[in-house]
Amino acid sequence: EAGVVQSPRYKIIEKKQPVAFWCNPISGHNTLYWYLQNLGQGPELLIRYENEEAVDDSQLPKDRFSAERLKGVDSTLKIQPAELGDSAVYLCASSVGRGSGANVLTFGAGSRLTVL
Amino acid sequence: GENVEQHPSTLSVQEGDSAVIKCTYSDSASNYFPWYKQELGKRPQLIIDIRSNVGEKKDQRIAVTLNKTAKHFSLHITETQPEDSAVYFCAATDSWGKLQFGAGTQVVVTP
Repeated sequence: EAGVVQSPRYKIIEKKQPVAFWCNPISGHNTLYWYLQNLGQGPELLIRYENEEAVDDSQLPKDRFSAERLKGVDSTLKIQPAELGDSAVYLCASSVGRGSGANVLTFGAGSRLTVL
Repeated sequence: GENVEQHPSTLSVQEGDSAVIKCTYSDSASNYFPWYKQELGKRPQLIIDIRSNVGEKKDQRIAVTLNKTAKHFSLHITETQPEDSAVYFCAATDSWGKLQFGAGTQVVVTP
């Protein structure tokens, strides 16, 4: 099993530039999450998908962040334009989505963004 | 929403000693409490979890206890080893099923 795959692992951009992150969840996992992790802090939820539907995006800064999960599998997270404060690790996670495994998250390796 | 507080923020222990990390939560409807271990530059990995219908769970050298009345839960690591050095995060689900993470505890095990 490949686990949750994310790309790119590292991205350095100048402020005001756009950036996109991609995530491929574990096969069969209906729920997909995007988390933001600042240095020295715990992950903070940005958006949660149940299949292709965004069921919780209350923490997503919608003026510059967008996400999609077409066909209910892969997902992309986009920032446009990026700001200095967006420098962080963007973690994708997935879970079965129902039953006893509903909240058991498996994380990807993360995409580390540096905005100059 | 759920608020999870975690203490201490850093913990230094001698190899072989025990380590205890404590978390409190605010939402009485929370029913799932996982612990994640994150090594430097790596992904958070689930090491143990407990549900609200259980008071204690153990897996080899790690154990978690839950006190629903006081709304706190703890991670216990016995016979610590250098490979236990990492950041540990507690988390709790809120009434919407969303996981809220604590700020993390940096554990350093010195030989």
